[in-house]
Amino acid sequence: GESVGLHLPTLSVQEGDNSIINCAYSNSASDYFIWYKQESGKGPQFIIDIRSNMDKRQGQRVTVLLNKTVKHLSLQIAATQPGDSAVYFCAEMDAGGTSYGKLTFGQGTILTVHP
Amino acid sequence: DGGITQSPKYLFRKEGQNVTLSCEQNLNHDAMYWYRQDPGQGLRLIYYSQIVNDFQKGDIAEGYSVSREKKESFPLTVTSAQKNPTAFYLCASKQPSGPYNEQFFGPGTRLTVL
Repeated sequence: GESVGLHLPTLSVQEGDNSIINCAYSNSASDYFIWYKQESGKGPQFIIDIRSNMDKRQGQRVTVLLNKTVKHLSLQIAATQPGDSAVYFCAEMDAGGTSYGKLTFGQGTILTVHP
Repeated sequence: DGGITQSPKYLFRKEGQNVTLSCEQNLNHDAMYWYRQDPGQGLRLIYYSQIVNDFQKGDIAEGYSVSREKKESFPLTVTSAQKNPTAFYLCASKQPSGPYNEQFFGPGTRLTVL
């Protein structure tokens, strides 16, 4: 079946560096993508989203890039801080499909930021 | 404060027992979801509900049941038929204004079968 996966399960960076977390998706019908951050023992928190009619979207210290040609999604975190240490998930959805709001999640990437 | 609450935070169950996990939201969201998360893995959809008195099976519904009698509440029952119920369970809800909106998650319930 269709799935969303991540290239790198772990990422270690130094405080102040920029981080890039990647995600590959296989459902060509997916038209909405979300990045979530999950800290240990907590529920996922929304970071940023992007629709398929966009290539890039920026938030506070975060940028999501979407390459529909190669079905690739990335999350860039600028000036990474220790508080950014968490597991990051990408999720995709076929908003035009029959499964209303059903998200498919990737495996997750563990980001560790060293002081 | 608006949000999603799940209770209890930790739950222990003996084999062969059914157990019900609570999920309540005061965000006026129509859609609600239950996910299961195993260590080091992503979220897998158990059940979802688009509206009161309606729900659909997700990818791993076997051994679980739900009800949606009120807009605010979407309880999940883990039955004795679920072979490996020990996991972290997450409830989510979604704004009613169309598909292009994120799901908001509760804090989760960690279920352990003894």
